[in-house]
Order: sequence, then C-alpha cells, then structure tokens
Amino acid sequence: SQELEQSPQSLIVQEGKNLTINCTSSKTLYGLYWYKQKYGEGLIFLMMLQKGGEEKSHEKITAKLDEKKQQSSLHITASQPSHAGIYLCGADRTGNQFYFGTGTSLTVIP
Amino acid sequence: GAGVSQSPRYKVAKRGQDVALRCDPISGHVSLFWYQQALGQGPEFLTYFQNEAQLDKSGLPSDRFFAERPEGSVSTLKIQRTQQEDSAVYLCASSTEQGFSGNTIYFGEGSWLTVV
Repeated sequence: SQELEQSPQSLIVQEGKNLTINCTSSKTLYGLYWYKQKYGEGLIFLMMLQKGGEEKSHEKITAKLDEKKQQSSLHITASQPSHAGIYLCGADRTGNQFYFGTGTSLTVIP
Repeated sequence: GAGVSQSPRYKVAKRGQDVALRCDPISGHVSLFWYQQALGQGPEFLTYFQNEAQLDKSGLPSDRFFAERPEGSVSTLKIQRTQQEDSAVYLCASSTEQGFSGNTIYFGEGSWLTVV
C-alpha cells in the first residue's frame, strides 16, 4: 500500500549531523507509529503519536504529528552510527490491518 | 524464549518448490500477524490470527499462500510452488491485545526467503 509515503527513501549523513524523515498519509491519521529496523532484524517500536500537534522524544529522537494529522516527522539530533537502520512509520486502519510506510534507510558515516 | 522466534532465518528455494515458515510467538499472546517485506519496501500485511482463528487473510497475495495456527500458539506460513516474486522477508508479530496495537506488538527477526 502507498497510503503512507516516506521521504527521503534513503539518507546518508555524517556523524553528528541532524536529520529529518517525513511520513505523509493520504488519509487522516488516528494513530501514527515509528519503528526502527536493523538489517536482518525485526522491528523495534520507537514512539506512538495520536493527537494532532503531539510531539514525543526518546533520547535524541523526536517525532511530531502535524495539526491536520496527515503528516509526521522524525528528527534525529546529533546522529550516531547506532542510529543507522531503516525507519518505518505505520498507521492503524479499520479492522485488523496496520499499514507501514515505504521506509527510509539511514546510513551514518563515522 | 523471551521473544518472537522465526525459523528458518534464511531459506533458498528453487522455483516451484514448496516452503514452510514457522513462527513461535511469545507465550500467551493472543494475536499473531504475518507480514511480507520486499527489499527496499515497508512490510505488507498478509494475515491475522486471534488465537487459532484466522480472522483476516485479505493480504495473502494468491492461493499459493496458506497460513495456519491450529492450537493458537505456533503458526506456519506455507507457500506452494514458489515464484521469484515471493522472494522477501516474512515477518511474524504477536501481541497480547486483540487486533493490532502498534505499541504492544513484538516482531520476530524474520525469515529471509530467496527463490532462485
């Protein structure tokens, strides 16, 4: 499903730089989740946003859900090699389905 | 084990061969999900079990795909007559909640299937 589009598709940054990943939905979001996936591993839950304007932080990662609830951004401050991986946004849908975004691959160069 | 366990971790199958992928969820978890993740893409929903009942199989791409969870714990995803487009990582996830609750779901490391 392309209901959740992420940008950029891939990102290469120097260690210490800040970066932002965007997740745009074609529909109003009622619950937006961010996950991180290391190559060859399962998904790790990072944060959940439910209210328009909500912002949450965990260590150096901050996620926001915009007022109109159709876009979320994930911001990493002072990136480290440990931040490298694939970042996925996800959203609830009616029924038991849950949609993931297209993914953003992050490489951090030491 | 403490987490969701999937086996095999890696499988290379010849086109036309049948494969079976196993998921051992966290003990006591009611919900179990299967996702397919192609290279460079986000995971795509395949099917959902609540205990032994398969409540949603709308994401299964064709009738070559079949999933079961006969005793409400271990689940098997079977792919018959594999095709090259079946090459992907197959992720299993489980949760204590009914339905998908994004912050209480646990994912396995995935089974990497390559069809040659």
